[in-house]
Amino acid sequence: DAKTTQPNSMESNEEEPVHLPCNHSTISGTDYIHWYRQLPSQGPEYVIHGLTSNVNNRMASLAIAEDRKSSTLILHRATLRDAAVYYCILDDSGTYKYIFGTGTRLKVLA
Amino acid sequence: GAVVSQHPSRVICKSGTSVKIECRSLDFQATTMFWYRQFPKQSLMLMATSNEGSKATYEQGVEKDKFLINHASLTLSTLTVTSAHPEDSSFYICSARGTNYGYTFGSGTRLTVV
Repeated sequence: DAKTTQPNSMESNEEEPVHLPCNHSTISGTDYIHWYRQLPSQGPEYVIHGLTSNVNNRMASLAIAEDRKSSTLILHRATLRDAAVYYCILDDSGTYKYIFGTGTRLKVLA
Repeated sequence: GAVVSQHPSRVICKSGTSVKIECRSLDFQATTMFWYRQFPKQSLMLMATSNEGSKATYEQGVEKDKFLINHASLTLSTLTVTSAHPEDSSFYICSARGTNYGYTFGSGTRLTVV
């Protein structure tokens, strides 16, 4: 199963940008990179996904390295509501399983 | 957007009894659903893959006789924790793959076995 590596925790000040890194050196050519976040006592929530090109949506941006072995989730202006655990997941097109890594616990300081 | 409804959100049961958790895809058909378990301060652990009309596929180390999965329709999968014990207390989460990329997750069920 493809694996991802993320820092255990990060802190950000409110209204400032946050860059959440993810390493996925064993990614295969057809694996999509997905990001989800989980608030306490809730199921994960979709944030963004991409394959090769950088992606933007209303929640965040996703920057994917040229060799696809790493990616970065960018929250342009962190709010207190963005405090959550962020998971970077490889969408294995072979098994369609989501294998969760440890995720990054983001703390946003007021 | 795709919505997955999970019920109940919380359940407390006595040791030795069984508990059923339902996972429904409300506005799409899901041929495949997944069940996860999450202990406090830990990540989600995949327990099994539920396929409509066929037997579930369990991950290594997950007891299939203890965690019964039934996926009888394209919109409903159930997880039954049989003969529950305190060590089964956990947060159980289901997810379903819709027609678009990615998965939608249920809101989770917190099971407490006393």
